[in-house]
Amino acid sequence: EDQVTQSPEALRLQEGESSSLNCSYTVSGLRGLFWYRQDPGKGPEFLFTLYSAGEEKEKERLKATLTKKESFLHITAPKPEDSATYLCAVQVIGVGKDSSYKLIFGSGTRLLVRP
Amino acid sequence: DSGVTQTPKHLITATGQRVTLRCSPRSGDLSVYWYQQSLDQGLQFLIHYYNGEERAKGNILERFSAQQFPDLHSELNLSSLELGDSALYFCASSPGIGSETQYFGPGTRLLVL
Repeated sequence: EDQVTQSPEALRLQEGESSSLNCSYTVSGLRGLFWYRQDPGKGPEFLFTLYSAGEEKEKERLKATLTKKESFLHITAPKPEDSATYLCAVQVIGVGKDSSYKLIFGSGTRLLVRP
Repeated sequence: DSGVTQTPKHLITATGQRVTLRCSPRSGDLSVYWYQQSLDQGLQFLIHYYNGEERAKGNILERFSAQQFPDLHSELNLSSLELGDSALYFCASSPGIGSETQYFGPGTRLLVL
């Protein structure tokens, strides 16, 4: 069964304290891995897409990396405005009649950055 | 702002009732996806429509149905509502049917009393 696991569930950092969030997955036929940021009560906001092992993407203080079994979201010198839930999702394609690309989400990491 | 719009933002109703949630995709996007997010389940894929046709079903209950209209907006119909249906409902859109990024709307918060 396709599965996505994120760790830790929650993370508290001091402003400027760098850290990494983990997303491990077991899926058959990975098409892509996506990182989203979600603020309370809001829709997920797209951050990155990674398609192949070894790929890296950067945006401001965030850097996403991908291996064959997991992805990391590195946060460098975070600020309080980086506080949010970070969601990882893997994209798989169905078989047979179901040929849609589906996103399977992890449960997220709640990040709190204190000033 | 992702460009995906959803109405209403909030909905409060009673058990046994029926509601309709509406989604307008980003301009030019042909695919619409519906997701349910509850505290204990996280984001769960419900159903995918592409250019008016159903493409895939996920964990969607038989009491729920959806459709996509010729102008590409989509509606999610929830009937015989139960307390456990209280959740955030999101739609997302993407240009085609391939592995493109899905952009999410702001969601509809449903509370069933």
